[in-house]
Amino acid sequence: GQNIDQPTEMTATEGAIVQINCTYQTSGFNGLFWYQQHAGEAPTFLSYNVLDGLEEKGRFSSFLSRSKGYSYLLLKELQMKDSASYLCAALDSNYQLIWGAGTKLIIKP
Amino acid sequence: GAVVSQHPSWVICKSGTSVKIECRSLDFQATTMFWYRQFPKQSLMLMATSNEGSKATYEQGVEKDKFLINHASLTLSTLTVTSAHPEDSSFYICSARELAGMTQYFGPGTRLLVL
Repeated sequence: GQNIDQPTEMTATEGAIVQINCTYQTSGFNGLFWYQQHAGEAPTFLSYNVLDGLEEKGRFSSFLSRSKGYSYLLLKELQMKDSASYLCAALDSNYQLIWGAGTKLIIKP
Repeated sequence: GAVVSQHPSWVICKSGTSVKIECRSLDFQATTMFWYRQFPKQSLMLMATSNEGSKATYEQGVEKDKFLINHASLTLSTLTVTSAHPEDSSFYICSARELAGMTQYFGPGTRLLVL
């Protein structure tokens, strides 16, 4: 079966760094997405990785290891506005997105 | 770029009425659009995938006669909730994928409350 695993909830301190991990098992693989979803709002696109390695975009970076079926989202210099759910999703061989349940990130002052 | 709009953003209706939600890709063409539903504090649930000019593909457990999807053009898909009941109250979100891309871009969502 197809499966995405990510922690349910994480807590971090303002100004710190946090890494949200995601492991996936899919029928074929065409890339890994990270989305941010604030409470009561729709998801917004953060990153897409299809090749191994680290992609950096400002305070946010995303890493992929295809051989390990593993990705992480790294958030630096955390701000209160980063409190949100972070959704990991893998694109399978049919180009269907398989969604994780999301990681709720709580930022404390 | 890659902006998706949804209309209306809020709907309150009486039980038994039908509600139409529009999803538009504003600055790109989308051969594929997706409709999701999300209940409070729960994960996104894919309801159906719609391809321009063809019938939508519904996920298991989603009634196609109750949730009518029309993807008439490369920039517009509509979801009609027919004979809505209180249990249909939810947050409905569409997303669109560019012609040559992999990324789904989401609309802002539509909150439906059925009384």
